[in-house]
Amino acid sequence: GQQVMQIPQYQHVQEGEDFTTYCNSSTTLSNIQWYKQRPGGHPVFLIQLVKSGEVKKQKRLTFQFGEAKKNSSLHITATQTTDVGTYFCAGPNNFNKFYFGSGTKLNVKP
Amino acid sequence: EPEVTQTPSHQVTQMGQEVILRCVPISNHLYFYWYRQILGQKVEFLVSFYNNEISEKSEIFDDQFSVERPDGSNFTLKIRSTKLEDSAMYFCASRLTGGASDTQYFGPGTRLTVL
Repeated sequence: GQQVMQIPQYQHVQEGEDFTTYCNSSTTLSNIQWYKQRPGGHPVFLIQLVKSGEVKKQKRLTFQFGEAKKNSSLHITATQTTDVGTYFCAGPNNFNKFYFGSGTKLNVKP
Repeated sequence: EPEVTQTPSHQVTQMGQEVILRCVPISNHLYFYWYRQILGQKVEFLVSFYNNEISEKSEIFDDQFSVERPDGSNFTLKIRSTKLEDSAMYFCASRLTGGASDTQYFGPGTRLTVL
């Protein structure tokens, strides 16, 4: 079946450093979504990428979708303590079944 | 802003008992989902529901699980005979449409503890 893998599993950074998490799918994705889950919270939708090679920015966050639509990345510039949480990518096999990556847990030291 | 709500926030049950987890999706949404997340692990898809029927389900969603939309607002997940390994956080989610560009909104979750 379809698998979505994410690396790294954990990342500890000093506040102000950059952070990147990578997502790889075993199959081509129609789109990819990114979520953030704060400790003890629920996943919160961040963004969706649909087009091959697409790049989207949200303030300090930059999201990329690979040319082959099998990988994606989330980059945070100059991390802040408010960025702490687990970042998940999710790719659907169609529009109604979503496979989540294993997540990257980000810890930011002040 | 409209939100997905879930009750109870925490459910403790004995192994073998039936539990019903309740969700109220965002009112005009048409697609509904259940996910589970074992502590410290990834979010796992269980089932999607549209037009009063299951549209997709995962390998986890076996005969012990069922979903229902008993009225115009609630969406429930029933586990008939709970096992210890069913202990997890269960999230409900909804979407306005099933379209590729549509956002999925998650509820706060129900923590299920099976003793």
